[in-house]
This record gives sequence, C-alpha cells and structure tokens, in this order.
Amino acid sequence: SYELTQPPSVSVSPGETARITCSGDALPKQYAYWYQQKPGQAPVVIIYKDTERPSGIPERFSGSSSGTEVTLTISGVQAEDEADYYCQSADTSGTYVFGTGTKVTVL
Amino acid sequence: QVQLQESGPGLVKSSQTLSLSCTVTGGSISGNYYWSWIRQPAGKGLEWIGRIFTGGTTKFNPSLKSRVTMSIDTSKNQFSLKLTSVTAADTAVYYCAREAAAGTSHGMDVWGQGTTATVSS
Repeated sequence: SYELTQPPSVSVSPGETARITCSGDALPKQYAYWYQQKPGQAPVVIIYKDTERPSGIPERFSGSSSGTEVTLTISGVQAEDEADYYCQSADTSGTYVFGTGTKVTVL
Repeated sequence: QVQLQESGPGLVKSSQTLSLSCTVTGGSISGNYYWSWIRQPAGKGLEWIGRIFTGGTTKFNPSLKSRVTMSIDTSKNQFSLKLTSVTAADTAVYYCAREAAAGTSHGMDVWGQGTTATVSS
C-alpha cells in the first residue's frame, strides 16, 4: 500500500524556522495537503495543492514541492504552532492517504 | 458557515457493526463535494477510511474496503458510515470531513469535532 513518510518529530526554538518533509512516490503526480492538529481538536488544513494557503492561515506557513518530496515550512515559529502536522495526498488510483505525522515541539 | 457533527453509539461489541452518521448544518449536502470519514486511534496518526460523492460514488481505503459501506441521505442532510466485523483495532476517534470536488479542492476544509467509538469484547 502507498505510504507517505514524515519525520516523527521536529524541535525548534521560537522565532526559528521549522521544516517538515513528506516523501511519497506519487507526489510528483498528486497534490499534497498539510493539516495541523492540536491536542483534543480536529485537524485543520493549512496548505492545499502543494503550495496554496487557505484564507485565515498565517503567512508563516508555506509549502513547497520537489520531485517525490513536499515540505511544510513554518517561518518564525511561535509557541502556538506546537502541534502534530500531517501531510495528505493520493495514490495513482485516487485513494487518499495521510502521512505518518510529525510532532513539532517549540523549545 | 457549514458545520459537521458526528453521531453514533460510543460502544460497540466485538464482531458487530459500527454505525456512524454525520449531519451537515449551515449548508446543503447536495453540491460538488466529497464527504469523507477519517479515524484516529488514541495517540496515533490519521487514517482515511473512505469518501462518498454527493451522487453516491464511493472510494475506500483498500485495507478497510471489505468491511466498509457509506451512504448519503440528502433529505436528512446526512451521510453515514458502516464498519462491519469490528475488533479492538477499530477503537478510535472517528471524524467526518468535507472536501470540494475536483479542481476546486482546498483539501478537507470542514471537519466534525470527532466521536469516540470503543469496541468491547
């Protein structure tokens, strides 16, 4: 089955930049989406179609894509950004899959 | 503003069928949307279960396909999930979510708050 691989954890100091990668063989052909999930809450989409940011999402969140890897970048990390982050995409048949998830810790 | 609310029994016995519903308020379920179910076991990651299009077309996670059915009831503005032959591994928080179909997708942009389903032996 298709898998999207993320690092389990990323630690960053306030004001620094956090980068979370997501790797998958179908990413060159399928869009990626990023979700932020805080404890006890439902996920929230923060990036769609690789690089687009929904209205209301702070500009410090950005997405990029290169080959079989997509990256979520959080510039100028704030304490409130501490959360779990999941990428999501589809395999070649259109079946959705979530990445393994990355816990971002703000030191 | 569209909102989603999951409902269903919180406790299901092993080998029985888990039935959940998701009610759409603040908008119509009839439109160019996909309606998905996602689950999350305690302390673990998100797992996409499947989706149903307003017209009734479905697509499921291959790992669950043999046990999953989804339906949509436009008269109730509601869609539903049935998962058969449940085991303890199906214990999780279950979310419903909405996504605009095809080229207008902004991802799953509306989610329910989630409902916990526990499978007991």
